[in-house]
Amino acid sequence: DAGVTQSPTHLIKTRGQQVTLRCSPKSGHDTVSWYQQALGQGPQFIFQYYEEEERQRGNFPDRFSGHQFPNYSSELNVNALLLGDSALYLCASSLFEYREEKLFFGSGTQLSVL
Amino acid sequence: GENVGLHLPTLSVQEGDNSIINCAYSNSASDYFIWYKQESGKGPQFIIDIRSNMDKRQGQRVTVLLNKTVKHLSLQIAATQPGDSAVYFCAENNAQAGTALIFGKGTTLSVSS
Repeated sequence: DAGVTQSPTHLIKTRGQQVTLRCSPKSGHDTVSWYQQALGQGPQFIFQYYEEEERQRGNFPDRFSGHQFPNYSSELNVNALLLGDSALYLCASSLFEYREEKLFFGSGTQLSVL
Repeated sequence: GENVGLHLPTLSVQEGDNSIINCAYSNSASDYFIWYKQESGKGPQFIIDIRSNMDKRQGQRVTVLLNKTVKHLSLQIAATQPGDSAVYFCAENNAQAGTALIFGKGTTLSVSS
C-alpha cells in the first residue's frame, strides 16, 4: 500500500516563473492538504481540498492555487515565484471524516527559487 | 537529559536516557494535539496524539502530557535510541471546528551512543 507520493522531489526555478507540484494521496484517502515548510520552521498550512473543492485556506496569497482531481490526486500551483517561496512543500492526505486526525504526509518537494 | 519548561530548539542526550521535549501552544480553543517526528529528507510522521479532555496519554516508549492551564504540551521518550534522532514538532487544532493544524517550532533531538 503506497503512502502519499509527491513529485518532483526537487525543483529549481527562477523568480517570476510558475511551478506545479503534484500529490497522490494514500490509498483510500479523499482529502489532500498542502503545507509549506521553510528551512528550520514548522509546516504552515496552505489549503485543503475535498470533493475537488478548496475547503480551507491558510494565510497565503492568491499566487498559490490548487486543484483536486476525481481520483483524489492534487496539484499545487504557484505563480510569479518569489525568492521567499523557496521551501519544502508537503502534501498530506486523510479521510475527510477524520479531519486533521490520522494525517499522512509525503516526503515533500524541495523548491528552490533563484 | 531533560528539557523542562522552556522550548529549546535543540536537545542532546545519551542513548538510554529519557528525553523530554516541550511545546507551548497558542490557542486556548485548541482541543486536539499531535506530536510529529521528522527525519531528514522526509515528511512529518505521526507519533502520538491527545485530546483536551485528557492530561496524559502513553504509547510505546512515548508519553504526552497536556497542561491546559498554562497551554503546555510535552513529549517524553523513554530509553532514547539513536533512531530517535530527528526534529520533533507539536501541532494543535480545534477539531470541533475542523480548523487546520498549527505547527509549533521544532526541537532537534540528537542521540549519541
